[in-house]
Amino acid sequence: DIQMTQSPSSLSASVGDRVTITCRASQSISSYLNWYQQKPGKAPKVLIYVASSLQDGVPSRFSGRGSGTEFTLTISSLHPEDVATYYCQQTFSDSSLTFGGGTKVEIK
Amino acid sequence: EVLLVESGGGLVKPGGSLRLSCSASGFTFSSYTMNWVRQAPGKGLEWVSSITSSSTYIYYADSVEGRFTVSRDNAENSLYLQMNSLIVEDTAVYYCATTEYRSPQAYYFDSWGQGALVTVSS
Repeated sequence: DIQMTQSPSSLSASVGDRVTITCRASQSISSYLNWYQQKPGKAPKVLIYVASSLQDGVPSRFSGRGSGTEFTLTISSLHPEDVATYYCQQTFSDSSLTFGGGTKVEIK
Repeated sequence: EVLLVESGGGLVKPGGSLRLSCSASGFTFSSYTMNWVRQAPGKGLEWVSSITSSSTYIYYADSVEGRFTVSRDNAENSLYLQMNSLIVEDTAVYYCATTEYRSPQAYYFDSWGQGALVTVSS
């Protein structure tokens, strides 16, 4: 199975800060990597698909980059409503989809 | 509007069984691959199972293989997860979710239900 490792597991940043979350795959997954945002008590919501494509309706301050084994999700300017846990997910292996462990983002 | 509603959660003893349902509306259910994802209390997301639109392909996470069975009834716009031989570690909120394809291998989980809580405890 492909393992997905996110870092950091949590972070605290100020409103307006640039925030970057990293996701590493245990083997190459090409660009088959999605990012989700989950707010407390809610279902996840997709932000980025295929590594860098912004889902409709998602603010442009969110962006994704990477291919192969290393990927990043960047929030260019942190807003209070961005407080959430962020997960990466690989879809390279249909028979064994995996999520990263999550990164909890808080406001300092 | 896409609507997914899970039901059937509850408290069950270790070794017991439970069947979750996911009722779908607002889209052509029979055209979509569907998924189950779970989240243990205070923990991250774990993919559980996927089933293609005509049930041709079915996949399970290693953690549930042989104990859980996914199925669907396209006439009833419903997705199911039969869970047998439940263990404490199966305690989680279970979500059903649709798959949105951008290409055969580029896809993501698009619409999600509100989740159903399954608690396995003696």
